[in-house]
Amino acid sequence: DAGVIQSPRHEVTEMGQEVTLRCKPISGHNSLFWYRQTMMRGLELLIYFNNNVPIDDSGMPEDRFSAKMPNASFSTLKIQPSEPRDSAVYFCASRLGTVNTEAFFGQGTRLTVV
Amino acid sequence: GENVEQHPSTLSVQEGDSAVIKCTYSDSASNYFPWYKQELGKRPQLIIDIRSNVGEKKDQRIAVTLNKTAKHFSLHITETQPEDSAVYFCAAGTGANSKLTFGKGITLSVRP
Repeated sequence: DAGVIQSPRHEVTEMGQEVTLRCKPISGHNSLFWYRQTMMRGLELLIYFNNNVPIDDSGMPEDRFSAKMPNASFSTLKIQPSEPRDSAVYFCASRLGTVNTEAFFGQGTRLTVV
Repeated sequence: GENVEQHPSTLSVQEGDSAVIKCTYSDSASNYFPWYKQELGKRPQLIIDIRSNVGEKKDQRIAVTLNKTAKHFSLHITETQPEDSAVYFCAAGTGANSKLTFGKGITLSVRP
């Protein structure tokens, strides 16, 4: 398995534009997490899904953020409209949720909003 | 919800010395405690984990200890090497199908 795959690796966009980040979890994993990493706040959990269903989105900072998981092999995180303070590295991670074990991270998307 | 804290935010040690990184958690229901290492520009990767039914686990130069009563757990690295320099994250989870809550991370620098 190629691991968790995220795209794009880097994204530079202008303030006000819509940004969509994509994630393909490891095949067979049924838990998926979106994290945001900044120097000040570390790794913040934004939202997580079990079996494609959002379980906890309390970490989503504002209504400008939304996430979907239409099937077991794909998830998106959308920011509309984007703002400079959204600049961060966004990680997707997946886990075999039926056992208490590690989460595997993708390589991350570095988002810069100018 | 769960709150995981790491202190201090940075740690510097001399090569060959030991390093200890501590974390506290708030939810007594948490029963899974992984440690992740993140090298510069890379993704976090698991280095060791422990479950609440054991108090200590060791893997070569690294070990993790857990004190459930005090709600804290620690990462121990012996004979540190320059390649141990990285950001280390602790996390806590309450079981299968649960979220993992991470601490803010600690930057470990190993001086040659």
